[in-house]
Amino acid sequence: SQQGEEDPQALSIQEGENATMNCSYKTSINNLQWYRQNSGRGLVHLILIRSNEREKHSGRLRVTLDTSKKSSSLLITASRAADTASYFCATVTDSWGKFQFGAGTQVVVTP
Amino acid sequence: SQTIHQWPATLVQPVGSPLSLECTVEGTSNPNLYWYRQAAGRGLQLLFYSVGIGQISSEVPQNLSASRPQDRQFILSSKKLLLSDSGFYLCAWTRNTEAFFGQGTRLTVV
Repeated sequence: SQQGEEDPQALSIQEGENATMNCSYKTSINNLQWYRQNSGRGLVHLILIRSNEREKHSGRLRVTLDTSKKSSSLLITASRAADTASYFCATVTDSWGKFQFGAGTQVVVTP
Repeated sequence: SQTIHQWPATLVQPVGSPLSLECTVEGTSNPNLYWYRQAAGRGLQLLFYSVGIGQISSEVPQNLSASRPQDRQFILSSKKLLLSDSGFYLCAWTRNTEAFFGQGTRLTVV
């Protein structure tokens, strides 16, 4: 089973709106990360939040982490067409630094 | 700076043919290396990871194998491809808390 599970699976919004997606995980973590994937490309690291942090910002990105609920959310504010991509959460699940990714949320931002 | 190279970008292979995908990392030493597979519109499935030369851990038993002949080289192989091996294969390396991905190989088995 996957360590990270994102929801919704797909999200379609208009430019200027906010996009929120969630990630749930099963085991204890040291940190949780969000990645972005443009169609047919590799993943690019967006932001990391450590287990002792509750919220983190980077530009138009806001990430929250609730370790009691084993969940995280990624908010993209004032979305742009260029934000169209798939977004994945990832956790490190063991001492070897093995990354596990969720199924992702496909975000489509229409002008 | 560190870079990761993965090739080829696309590959069309007949069923039953062998496969060899190569991934190399530059600018770092002793990286953790990973092979992932991504079905169309789906998430990433971890196939293999390696913490050192000759050290391979398999996550999913299947038709594929991996090898790490050199510190910064990771190879994904198959002796006989199946239709179900089609997908998007991604190589990655990790440094502490961040993963860096190659551009991926689109494999179509026909």
